[in-house]
Amino acid sequence: AQSVTQLDSQVPVFEEAPVELRCNYSSSVSVYLFWYVQYPNQGLQLLLKYLSGSTLVKGINGFEAEFNKSQTSFHLRKPSVHISDTAEYFCAVTPQGAQKLVFGQGTRLTINP
Amino acid sequence: DAGVTQSPTHLIKTRGQQVTLRCSPISGHKSVSWYQQVLGQGPQFIFQYYEKEERGRGNFPDRFSARQFPNYSSELNVNALLLGDSALYLCASSFRLMNTEAFFGQGTRLTVV
Repeated sequence: AQSVTQLDSQVPVFEEAPVELRCNYSSSVSVYLFWYVQYPNQGLQLLLKYLSGSTLVKGINGFEAEFNKSQTSFHLRKPSVHISDTAEYFCAVTPQGAQKLVFGQGTRLTINP
Repeated sequence: DAGVTQSPTHLIKTRGQQVTLRCSPISGHKSVSWYQQVLGQGPQFIFQYYEKEERGRGNFPDRFSARQFPNYSSELNVNALLLGDSALYLCASSFRLMNTEAFFGQGTRLTVV
């Protein structure tokens, strides 16, 4: 079975500051990794994904994430955040060959002016 | 092109009642998955349907059932509603069976009173 741990339930940062949202996963098989964003009262939007290849993946809205297989981590980063980045962020994995996404508990990112 | 559409957006039901939620996938997508997101938690996988066949089931009681129609739209049914069924129900569609990129709808907010 797979599990995902998002190490911070809430992350407050000031506008234009850098941010890192941490995600660790557990799996006995190879996985695909994803970050989704959820704005208030909305569904999930895919930010980026790692399927294979380069371990540094770039996504929408200036976000990027790095896959570290030895540490089973997939941390999300942005060098300078904006007020509009205020949202809930979910890390998810799916075992290669499987159908379901396994999500973490989410990290609420709050941007202060 | 329209994204994943879900209906209704909100509904309130009484304990013991039955509810049907509907999802229309992105045109051309043959896979539909359902997730339950309880307040403050990450989404939990309920079902996946591909080409009108059930391809995956999460750890949910038999009160939960689903089906997929020839036009690839899907319904999620929940019988004998409990207070704990109150949640945001998300539908996701993808082109392939494997979830390398799932697109989510806005969700249906179900409140059981």
